[in-house]
Amino acid sequence: QVNLRESAPALVKPTQPLTLTCTFSGFSLSGSGLCVSWIRQPPGKALEWLALIDWNDDKYYSRSLKTRLTISKDTSKNQVVLTMANMDPVDTATYYCARCRHGDYGFDFWGQGSLVAVSS
Amino acid sequence: SYVLTQPPSVTVAPGKTATITCGGNNIGGDSVYWYQQKPGQAPVLVIYYDSDRPSGIPERFSGSNSGNTATLTISRVEAGDEADYYCQVWDSSIDYRGVVFGGGTKLTVL
Repeated sequence: QVNLRESAPALVKPTQPLTLTCTFSGFSLSGSGLCVSWIRQPPGKALEWLALIDWNDDKYYSRSLKTRLTISKDTSKNQVVLTMANMDPVDTATYYCARCRHGDYGFDFWGQGSLVAVSS
Repeated sequence: SYVLTQPPSVTVAPGKTATITCGGNNIGGDSVYWYQQKPGQAPVLVIYYDSDRPSGIPERFSGSNSGNTATLTISRVEAGDEADYYCQVWDSSIDYRGVVFGGGTKLTVL
């Protein structure tokens, strides 16, 4: 049974970094041909893709946010971590992690999402 | 950068057919994914590889993709189909690789 769960602080101050952790079960990123991605959704707005890490450690980033994002994985812990630098109130959103397949990149399983507010 | 264009809203009567389009330059050459998102919930994959349905998704949901337009069709629409729908592709341009989402379509069942 595939499951993903996001963890993140509920509140972040402007200019601080945000660290998001996706803890998953029911699959592995070790030699699996699978990948995990981060997607966010500001309140009342559309989905926005952020970053993706493949089973072979290939990494892909949103063109517009690339300079602020770093994605990594800990295969032994079944975790994928995304850090976003220099947070701003416009980054207030629900952050989702989701599973995909290498070379496919559609998202078949999603976490429930974690709402992060950026405010002083 | 690659852009996917969806109508902001579609309204349909119960029992009728809803059609939601997703426009993109030569999108017919890409695999298109469709997601359904109900208020307060995470998105759910309803169509993959243009027209395949994951297990548990009703046969009423179908997809097609050709030329510059991909289409999600929902037949015999029910009140429970009211949701936001997003299309998505993988952009593998010469100088960039990444996921692209459409802007979403709000389906209203009246």
